[in-house]
Amino acid sequence: SQELEQSPQSLIVQEGKNLTINCTSSKTLYGLYWYKQKYGEGLIFLMMLQKGGEEKSHEKITAKLDEKKQQSSLHITASQPSHAGIYLCGAEERQGGSEKLVFGKGTKLTVNP
Amino acid sequence: GAVVSQHPSRVICKSGTSVKIECRSLDFQATTMFWYRQFPKQSLMLMATSNEGSKATYEQGVEKDKFLINHASLTLSTLTVTSAHPEDSSFYICSARGDSVTQHFGDGTRLSIL
Repeated sequence: SQELEQSPQSLIVQEGKNLTINCTSSKTLYGLYWYKQKYGEGLIFLMMLQKGGEEKSHEKITAKLDEKKQQSSLHITASQPSHAGIYLCGAEERQGGSEKLVFGKGTKLTVNP
Repeated sequence: GAVVSQHPSRVICKSGTSVKIECRSLDFQATTMFWYRQFPKQSLMLMATSNEGSKATYEQGVEKDKFLINHASLTLSTLTVTSAHPEDSSFYICSARGDSVTQHFGDGTRLSIL
């Protein structure tokens, strides 16, 4: 089955700093999703990438999928306290006709003012 | 758009009680809903996938008689934890998918069994 490894597991940055979170897959990614979760709450959809080399941005967050479609990165520019939370990458696992999502363990981001 | 409502947000009950959690898609029709369980500092683990009008597909190791799933309409799925015990305490979260491939998540339910 597909496994996603996220790095780092946790990250503490000063407000205004840039940061990058990585997500590496053991298999080719057909669809890679980035979500943000606050502790004890639901997941907020950020972006979805499908094509090799694809890059998407929303406000100060940019997500990329590499050409080989096995690694994705999430980059936050000029971080703010509102960016704090747990970032999860999820990948479509196409197995037996069902398209379910497999998630990484998450990266906990703390942004100090 | 694509709002998913999950209720209740928190449940505390005695061992042996059955607990029902509802997951509703508010502004779209959800052909498929997913139920996940999340342990502290762990990722989401898919429990089951449900399609409207058909039986849920459970992941390996998930007891279907313990976790009853009903997807009676295109906007509502329910998860019932039957005869809950302390080891069932966890954070349960649902997601719904309509025409697009993106799953939209509810806010989760924190279940505590005493």
